[in-house]
Amino acid sequence: QKEVEQNSGPLSVPEGAIASLNCTYSDRGSQSFFWYRQYSGKSPELIMFIYSNGDKEDGRFTAQLNKASQYVSLLIRDSQPSDSATYLCADWRFSGGYNKLIFGAGTRLAVHP
Amino acid sequence: GAVVSQHPSRVICKSGTSVKIECRSLDFQATTMFWYRQFPKQSLMLMATSNEGSKATYEQGVEKDKFLINHASLTLSTLTVTSAHPEDSSFYICSATPGLAGLGPGNEQFFGPGTRLTVL
Repeated sequence: QKEVEQNSGPLSVPEGAIASLNCTYSDRGSQSFFWYRQYSGKSPELIMFIYSNGDKEDGRFTAQLNKASQYVSLLIRDSQPSDSATYLCADWRFSGGYNKLIFGAGTRLAVHP
Repeated sequence: GAVVSQHPSRVICKSGTSVKIECRSLDFQATTMFWYRQFPKQSLMLMATSNEGSKATYEQGVEKDKFLINHASLTLSTLTVTSAHPEDSSFYICSATPGLAGLGPGNEQFFGPGTRLTVL
């Protein structure tokens, strides 16, 4: 199975800074990409998804997709301690007759006051 | 937004027993439901995909006879862990999508809160 790779972290940033989270994928057939946030012991919460090359902004979050480089990133502006969580990158691919989400291992973000 | 519930949220059982986990879509009809497993500090691993009224499609390496999935209605899917052993202890999460899994570049999945299974 082709992989989705993320740096496990932890990524530590001060409050108010920009946090940059990165993800690479190996399946060129992947069509869209999702960013989820997961707090410890909880299920993932969708932040945003992107399927076109370029940037997509939603509030403090910006997703960036570069299909040529097979690279997806998530920027969090004005980071808050409440943003401290594990961020999961997932690609949505058609395989075995179904569309399915394939998750990376996640990057742990720690925002310190 | 769409709500997906899971029951129970936490279960502790003895080795060799079977455990059933329910996943319900509360305010939409879920044509497709997905079951994931997550071990500590690891990613979500897709176990199987189920469509209402048909057999589940299991991912490679997942034992279909051990993890029984039933998707008998558009709002309910169940996962039964048969003859559970300590290595089955994990966080089981379901998700549901109102779209047909084969359509579109990405239909949003709505995740349940998860079920923590501990097998003694």
